[in-house]
Amino acid sequence: SQQGEEDPQALSIQEGENATMNCSYKTSINNLQWYRQNSGRGLVHLILIRSNEREKHSGRLRVTLDTSKKSSSLLITASRAADTASYFCARAGGSYIPTFGRGTSLIVHP
Amino acid sequence: GAGVSQSPSNKVTEKGKDVELRCDPISGHTALYWYRQRLGQGLEFLIYFQGNSAPDKSGLPSDRFSAERTGESVSTLTIQRTQQEDSAVYLCASSLGPPGTGAQPQHFGDGTRLSIL
Repeated sequence: SQQGEEDPQALSIQEGENATMNCSYKTSINNLQWYRQNSGRGLVHLILIRSNEREKHSGRLRVTLDTSKKSSSLLITASRAADTASYFCARAGGSYIPTFGRGTSLIVHP
Repeated sequence: GAGVSQSPSNKVTEKGKDVELRCDPISGHTALYWYRQRLGQGLEFLIYFQGNSAPDKSGLPSDRFSAERTGESVSTLTIQRTQQEDSAVYLCASSLGPPGTGAQPQHFGDGTRLSIL
């Protein structure tokens, strides 16, 4: 499959803790994107990291990319209850249609 | 509008009926995508439009599914002779350019929740 696959499938933490989600993929990419989906809503783009980048930050989000391991991670620092959502990675770029894995369901308890 | 708009937001219909789902992308976005998301699952790619043509329709699950896009704007996804397994949320997304041009982020609508009785 050319999809990104997220791990873990579900994550439950307390407010203030950090949340780490991982994404693995099988074929080479030009870049990888992370999206968030709140219940009953569409996906919202969070961050894009290109294949020549190793780390990228956006506010409380940190994304890393290891092309040798074909994996990426999304770290949310100092989590808040409002971060409760599903998080998806999608391989994108080149001639590829962005394709999504099953996502990680994150619950942040207040 | 400012974002991607999908209608209806909910659709309940009987097995065997035809349904038509509509997507209004962000103005000026040339690329448009349809995905299907079953309960608790990831997104399943259905079809991609660049302008009015569909270079990739490989994800359409059967010939009961079809889609068109007119005027480089609105798109409709039609499901004929609906089956219970068609029950899902159908999401539409648009992006400024095609997938190969710097990986434009996708902007999603809130989807149409389709329930087949």
